[in-house]
Amino acid sequence: TQLLEQSPQFLSIQEGENLTVYCNSSSVFSSLQWYRQEPGEGPVLLVTVVTGGEVKKLKRLTFQFGDARKDSSLHITAAQPGDTGLYLCAGADGQNFVFGPGTRLSVLP
Amino acid sequence: ETGVTQSPTHLIKTRGQQVTLRCSSQSGHNTVSWYQQALGQGPQFIFQYYREEENGRGNFPPRFSGLQFPNYSSELNVNALELDDSALYLCASSIPGQGRETQYFGPGTRLLVL
Repeated sequence: TQLLEQSPQFLSIQEGENLTVYCNSSSVFSSLQWYRQEPGEGPVLLVTVVTGGEVKKLKRLTFQFGDARKDSSLHITAAQPGDTGLYLCAGADGQNFVFGPGTRLSVLP
Repeated sequence: ETGVTQSPTHLIKTRGQQVTLRCSSQSGHNTVSWYQQALGQGPQFIFQYYREEENGRGNFPPRFSGLQFPNYSSELNVNALELDDSALYLCASSIPGQGRETQYFGPGTRLLVL
């Protein structure tokens, strides 16, 4: 069974700060996805990374897939209160996805 | 194009009862996946349906069963409910894409088992 770990579990920062959250596994994934989930809603896909070493940018969010395709990071620049939420990573495992436990981010104004 | 919808939004049941949760997939999507998300955890894969056939199953007992209909909507049935079944149940629709597909999640059904 492939498992994903995420760190930190919780993160509370002030508006304008930068942050990085991590997603790690001992297994290789063919692709990895990052989602954001807000209270009372389902997860919303932010990005899919496929190639080892790949870097994708989405406005203030930068996603990186590790060279060995076992880990990934999400860096947020100048965090805003609207970034608050649960950030989940998910690795492709055949026909389905394995999710990590998430990092709960709180950005205070 | 309509998004993924789920019903009901909330549900309270007692141990031993049975429950049916429903999901309408996004227009054009022939694949539906169901996940269980316990409080403070990430979603755990229950099973997936593709063109009305089960197409993969996670580590859940047989009392978790499902159906997919010709219009690609889906049901999740849970028999003999246990306290630990209390969770947010999410469905996601997609078009198969070898692990690169975009899954569109519904808002979930929050089930409380007393």
